[in-house]
Amino acid sequence: AQSVSQHNHHVILSEAASLELGCNYSYGGTVNLFWYVQYPGQHLQLLLKYFSGDPLVKGIKGFEAEFIKSKFSFNLRKPSVQWSDTAEYFCAVNNAGNMLTFGGGTRLMVKP
Amino acid sequence: SAVISQKPSRDICQRGTSLTIQCQVDSQVTMMFWYRQQPGQSLTLIATANQGSEATYESGFVIDKFPISRPNLTFSTLTVSNMSPEDSSIYLCSVGASGSDTQYFGPGTRLTVL
Repeated sequence: AQSVSQHNHHVILSEAASLELGCNYSYGGTVNLFWYVQYPGQHLQLLLKYFSGDPLVKGIKGFEAEFIKSKFSFNLRKPSVQWSDTAEYFCAVNNAGNMLTFGGGTRLMVKP
Repeated sequence: SAVISQKPSRDICQRGTSLTIQCQVDSQVTMMFWYRQQPGQSLTLIATANQGSEATYESGFVIDKFPISRPNLTFSTLTVSNMSPEDSSIYLCSVGASGSDTQYFGPGTRLTVL
């Protein structure tokens, strides 16, 4: 069975700091990779996704993620965070035809 | 992306009762999914609901506890039966065109069982 690990459970940053959230998965075959974000009081929204092609994908609000197949990783990055980025971030993985598996989530707090 | 609504948005229920949660999508979709997000936890898939067939339940979830209906391509319901405080969670539906496509999530139903 596939699994997803997010090693940072809570992250606190000051505005303008750079962000990198780790995500590792365990599955040897072809996978689709996602980052979702849940802002306080709001529902889960898609931030970005990777299916194939360029392993560096860009999403909304200045976020990007890099798929490194050899490391089974799909880390999320943003060069300069804003207070409005305070949210919970979920990495998720599925392989074709199978269910979406979520990581445990990372709560990000950005201090103004 | 699809626009997904859920009813109710929240509810407080007594133990032993049942609650049916509705999920409505603004377009026809092949696959609908039901997830549970327990307090402070990540999302766990309960079942996959395809129109015209029985729902497929994940390990740890059974039809008697979480019966699901999928009468057409835009609507599904999840019932949480014989509730206990351990069922207090956010229940979310999501939709996807196929197992490998992107899933979009509804706003969730926050359930508190006393």
